[in-house]
Amino acid sequence: EVQLVESGGGLVQPGGSLRLSCEGSGFIFTDYSMYWLRQAPGKGLECVSAISATRTYYADSVKGRFTVSRDNSKNTLYLQMDSLTDEDMAVYYCARGDTAGHYYGLDVWGHGTTVTVSS
Amino acid sequence: DIVMTQSPLSLSVTPGEPASISCRSSQSLLYYSGNYYLDWYLHKPGQSPQLLIYWGSKRASGVPDRFSGSGSGTDFTLRISRVEAEDVGVYYCMQALQVPGTFGPGTKLEIK
Repeated sequence: EVQLVESGGGLVQPGGSLRLSCEGSGFIFTDYSMYWLRQAPGKGLECVSAISATRTYYADSVKGRFTVSRDNSKNTLYLQMDSLTDEDMAVYYCARGDTAGHYYGLDVWGHGTTVTVSS
Repeated sequence: DIVMTQSPLSLSVTPGEPASISCRSSQSLLYYSGNYYLDWYLHKPGQSPQLLIYWGSKRASGVPDRFSGSGSGTDFTLRISRVEAEDVGVYYCMQALQVPGTFGPGTKLEIK
């Protein structure tokens, strides 16, 4: 079964840091671009970051504060989040993107992990 | 940056009736391959979002054929031929031309 499982969410103080993880299984992780997305309370979906084999991408709202990376040997995607503010409070999802340069939608999503920013 | 808009923002539909959601992008979503990089997602309450349509009109695996997508350039439409109770949730269009992508504000569908 193709699956993505996020972890690492929790409570963090404003200005603090948190690292999210997303482990993939049931597919060749290396072959896919991976995405981080989020939904803040009462808000819509937002693409936060993406990573291919060679490039990383960020939304303007997190550029310079968030860092996406992947460890293909562990089939794991990461999101290092620094300088967190209450606007970063959200459910964070990872999703599977394109393969070999061919995009067929974000076809697999994790269950999400919740990040709470509060003092 | 590509800005996405949707209309309506909410929809109340009687089961068995059709529904339609429009999505507009601030620039063409045509990729050099000839496909439009426009997706539709459904976010049901308490679940993760799910892909319904990619390339503007291709149904994702397992998506019922009552869902269809159409459009070109900057204007796209999601249609549900006969709404069912399980279709409730928020529908989002997303442009995937500029990575990491941007979503429309969402359209909340509820059942009358």
